[in-house]
Amino acid sequence: QSALTQPASVSGSPGQSITIACTGTSSDVGSYKFVSWYQQHPGKAPKLMIYEVSRRPSGISNRFSGSKSGNTASLTISGLQTEDEADYYCCAYAGKSTGVFGGGTKVTVL
Amino acid sequence: EMELVESGGGLVQPGRSLRLSCEASGFKFNDYAMHWVRQGPGKGLEWVSGLNWNSASVGYADSVKGRFTISRDNAKNSLYLHLSSLRVDDTAFYYCAKDMGASGFGFDTWGRGTLVTVSS
Repeated sequence: QSALTQPASVSGSPGQSITIACTGTSSDVGSYKFVSWYQQHPGKAPKLMIYEVSRRPSGISNRFSGSKSGNTASLTISGLQTEDEADYYCCAYAGKSTGVFGGGTKVTVL
Repeated sequence: EMELVESGGGLVQPGRSLRLSCEASGFKFNDYAMHWVRQGPGKGLEWVSGLNWNSASVGYADSVKGRFTISRDNAKNSLYLHLSSLRVDDTAFYYCAKDMGASGFGFDTWGRGTLVTVSS
């Protein structure tokens, strides 16, 4: 159960698009459709943004999208807004009823 | 409105035990898998443990296997985590999280967390 690999930080200007990569292995990201993404503002509980690789929960803006290729999943935020500044975490099912998170990515809106 | 409320955190000495509780409301508790996720001070999220609706499928992170035990009582709409042989690096906020379905690992509802501090 090694943590998934995410870049420590990603930044962009308002209106731009950014993509956060989440790299796992053939035992987790590469094997299942169960990859999710979470947004966390300081002092707050995480919020589900994407589940099952690319599905958005009700109420989540379509500016957020997810995809997967091989052992790497990605979260794209388009039309970047100041309120998008937060920490983002990926999570994947790793088999045998276990899961694993990524180390987290700090998104900064310049 | 779906809500999860954790309790049971506190200051505990290394090697001791603690039981965390999570009370659920606003949804049919026994329809969903449930999980515990923790976050150390200034650190990232770590999945700790999860179980499906009837406790038939249970999983643990390697870091807690053999020391922590997850359980649920569907009649009481409650999830539990028994922490034993606690170590300083178990210090964290412990969040209870609801799975969107049958262990798909999409956590759509979170509690506010309960802080466990392990220190002598």
